[in-house]
Amino acid sequence: GDSVTQMEGPVTLSEEAFLTINCTYTATGYPSLFWYVQYPGEGLQLLLKATKADDKGSNKGFEATYRKETTSFHLEKGSVQVSDSAVYFCALRGSSGSARQLTFGSGTQLTVLP
Amino acid sequence: GAVVSQHPSWVICKSGTSVKIECRSLDFQATTMFWYRQFPKQSLMLMATSNEGSKATYEQGVEKDKFLINHASLTLSTLTVTSAHPEDSSFYICSASPYSNQPQHFGDGTRLSIL
Repeated sequence: GDSVTQMEGPVTLSEEAFLTINCTYTATGYPSLFWYVQYPGEGLQLLLKATKADDKGSNKGFEATYRKETTSFHLEKGSVQVSDSAVYFCALRGSSGSARQLTFGSGTQLTVLP
Repeated sequence: GAVVSQHPSWVICKSGTSVKIECRSLDFQATTMFWYRQFPKQSLMLMATSNEGSKATYEQGVEKDKFLINHASLTLSTLTVTSAHPEDSSFYICSASPYSNQPQHFGDGTRLSIL
């Protein structure tokens, strides 16, 4: 079945540092890929998405490129802020079967220090 | 944009109590909603798929008699944790989307604490 493997945390960075959170996936066909962010005590918010190979999703300075050849969707940000501290989840939605069901990675806790 | 509202946000109750959690799509109709459970510092586990007007589809290992799901309208799904016990304490999150090819929108979650 579909699966998502995400870089384990926690990750601690200083403000303005470069961020990379690795995400690789296993799926048949052509899944859609997502990054969600969860702030403490809250639900998940969609951060960015990509629906086909070579698409780049971007939002709030975060970027991720759908790489089919390496089955990856790594999250990057050039300069993190304290307000970016949260848990980040990589997820995929398969292209067959239950079309809207999401499969999540384990989540990566990011802490940005001032 | 699409908004999903979840209520209540926090419940504390005694063991043996049944607890109902509501998930509403505020500005769109959703024939399908999803219920997830999240343990501390862990990922979301899909519990069940809630289908409007029909029975929910439960994931393997999830007790359907324990976690009752009712999706009576296109904007409301409810999850009832029956005879809750301390091991049911968790963060429960629902999601929905207007169309199958659009991203899921999540509620803010319900923190359930059973004493």
